[in-house]
Amino acid sequence: DSGVTQTPKHLITATGQRVTLRCSPRSGDLSVYWYQQSLDQGLQFLIQYYNGEERAKGNILERFSAQQFPDLHSELNLSSLELGDSALYFCASAGYTGKLFFGSGTQLSVL
Amino acid sequence: AQSVTQLDSHVSVSEGTPVLLRCNYSSSYSPSLFWYVQHPNKGLQLLLKYTSAATLVKGINGFEAEFKKSETSFHLTKPSAHMSDAAEYFCVVSGMNRDDKIIFGKGTRLHILP
Repeated sequence: DSGVTQTPKHLITATGQRVTLRCSPRSGDLSVYWYQQSLDQGLQFLIQYYNGEERAKGNILERFSAQQFPDLHSELNLSSLELGDSALYFCASAGYTGKLFFGSGTQLSVL
Repeated sequence: AQSVTQLDSHVSVSEGTPVLLRCNYSSSYSPSLFWYVQHPNKGLQLLLKYTSAATLVKGINGFEAEFKKSETSFHLTKPSAHMSDAAEYFCVVSGMNRDDKIIFGKGTRLHILP
């Protein structure tokens, strides 16, 4: 158990819909990272938050947004979903040492 | 700027033979380097980490990696493959600060042949 909790584990939805993925980092970790893993692109960095503030942005679409709340949990919002958004979405947290701890991911299926 | 390249998308070895998964990186400063493993339907697990200490890093499950600055490489090795090693392996580069961006390689799928 990495200590990082992601919910839900599986999500099935239709095109055009909006979903929210949730991540609770390990206790004490201030950094939260979101990644998307798809078969063709590999693991892609989406966005990083550090203590509530956006710190780095990767290949995140404008239809996607994220935030980190005062209790340090984070949410990734995906809207106007397309078939190509189907993927495994990982959250990771990191503490002072930089060591990453990953959640088990949310498998999103857009039908 | 940082980047990481995993040179092989798939590697197949026979059980009991050595494993070599190749990773090259690019970084404008001394990086932190990691190898992660992902078993099917599981989250990522840290195998080992290099952070400017010993250049030969020993990890879990018999894996190790050697940091070679002159070759900008951080290849992952294991003397003898086991069936349970079949998984996807990711090489990762990061800066030394805790809020630095982390770059993942595209992954290498390791197949173990009986």
